[in-house]
Amino acid sequence: AQSVTQPDIHITVSEGASLELRCNYSYGATPYLFWYVQSPGQGLQLLLKYFSGDTLVQGIKGFEAEFKRSQSSFNLRKPSVHWSDAAEYFCAVAKGAQKLVFGQGTRLTINP
Amino acid sequence: GAVVSQHPSWVICKSGTSVKIECRSLDFQATTMFWYRQFPKQSLMLMATSNEGSKATYEQGVEKDKFLINHASLTLSTLTVTSAHPEDSSFYICSASRELDNEQFFGPGTRLTVL
Repeated sequence: AQSVTQPDIHITVSEGASLELRCNYSYGATPYLFWYVQSPGQGLQLLLKYFSGDTLVQGIKGFEAEFKRSQSSFNLRKPSVHWSDAAEYFCAVAKGAQKLVFGQGTRLTINP
Repeated sequence: GAVVSQHPSWVICKSGTSVKIECRSLDFQATTMFWYRQFPKQSLMLMATSNEGSKATYEQGVEKDKFLINHASLTLSTLTVTSAHPEDSSFYICSASRELDNEQFFGPGTRLTVL
C-alpha cells in the first residue's frame, strides 16, 4: 500500500538558517509527489509538486524539493527561512488518479 | 483565483444531532471534491471522493450512512454528520479538484465539537 513517512514531527530552526524537511514514500509505480503547507485558519497550500522530468523542483515562497528514486525520498529545502514560514508541512503522494495520501506532518518553529 | 470555502468554520452540537458542512469552489468548477478528516497533531485522512451528480466513493472504514455526502453541483459539496457522537469531533477539510488541470485546492476546514 502507498504510504508517506515524515520522520520529524517537530523541527525548530533559527530565522535565516537553512531548512530541510524529510519525506520518504512507498509507492509501486512512478509517484506523483507533493508538499503542502498548513497555517492556522487557512487551507492547505501547495508548495510544489513532482510528476516527472527534472528531479529538482522549484516551488513557491523560495522552497525546492529533490526527488531521489534510489532513496524513495522527496525532501523539502529552503536556503534561508523567515518567521512567516512557521507552519505545519505535509508531504503527500497521489494514489490513483487524484487521491492524496499524506504524511504525518512536520511542525516547523522559527526562533527569532 | 482557485479559492475553496467551507461553512461553518466551527460548530458545536449535541450528541445525537446532525450537522451539515458545506464546501464551495468560489471561482472554478470542480469535477471532483474530496473530504478529509484530521485529528489533532495528526495527518489528513481521506474519507470520501465525490463527483458531481453521482454517489460518493467512501474509503475503507468510513461509514457512508453516518457521513452523508452530496455533490449537487460543480461548485458545491456537502458533508452531513448524522447522529453525531463525541468521537466524531474532529477537523473536517474539503478539497476541490479544478477541471482545468486536476490540481486540488483545499478549504480552511471546519472544527466540529460534539458534546
